[in-house]
Amino acid sequence: EAGVAQSPRYKIIEKRQSVAFWCNPISGHATLYWYQQILGQGPKLLIQFQNNGVVDDSQLPKDRFSAERLKGVDSTLKIQPAKLEDSAVYLCASSFLLAGGRVAGELFFGEGSRLTVL
Amino acid sequence: AQSVTQLGSHVSVSEGALVLLRCNYSSSVPPYLFWYVQYPNQGLQLLLKYTSAATLVKGINGFEAEFKKSETSFHLTKPSAHMSDAAEYFCAVSVFSGGYNKLIFGAGTRLAVHP
Repeated sequence: EAGVAQSPRYKIIEKRQSVAFWCNPISGHATLYWYQQILGQGPKLLIQFQNNGVVDDSQLPKDRFSAERLKGVDSTLKIQPAKLEDSAVYLCASSFLLAGGRVAGELFFGEGSRLTVL
Repeated sequence: AQSVTQLGSHVSVSEGALVLLRCNYSSSVPPYLFWYVQYPNQGLQLLLKYTSAATLVKGINGFEAEFKKSETSFHLTKPSAHMSDAAEYFCAVSVFSGGYNKLIFGAGTRLAVHP
């Protein structure tokens, strides 16, 4: 079974430029997450999708970050304009629903996209 | 609100020694708890999970964790450290709300293993 795919793995940009990250979850996983991991910290949830709808974006800096999952499969996270403090690893994860529609607790993570803002 | 606290941002052990990584949780409902491992330049990999079945949970690579409700703890242990165990370890609690779940992570503990 293929895992969660992310690209690019590394990106270096200057502040005020824009960047986009792509994620393809495990086939059949209805839930997709974007986490931000700043060096030395644990991952922080930015946004969560259930199919193509947003269920939690409470910690997404909406003035500069946006994300979409138009067809309920792959997703794009965009930052525009980038700030120095956006330097981090952006992790995509997916999860599945158990029988009866209950959510599973476990998340499956991609390798991440490392962003450096100069 | 649910949260986890990992005690000790860095732990160093000798090869062959006991590994003990501490995690305490805060939850108003019975929690689902997880330990993930992250090797350099890689994503997070599930080590083990507690989902209200057995309190002693065995995971991959010889790790195990014990859920102790009275202590609100879920510490990760391994009897004998190996050089390949050097990585960052994250404890996480699953938050269920409105039919959806998400993981809240601790700050992580970096494990160093020396010869």
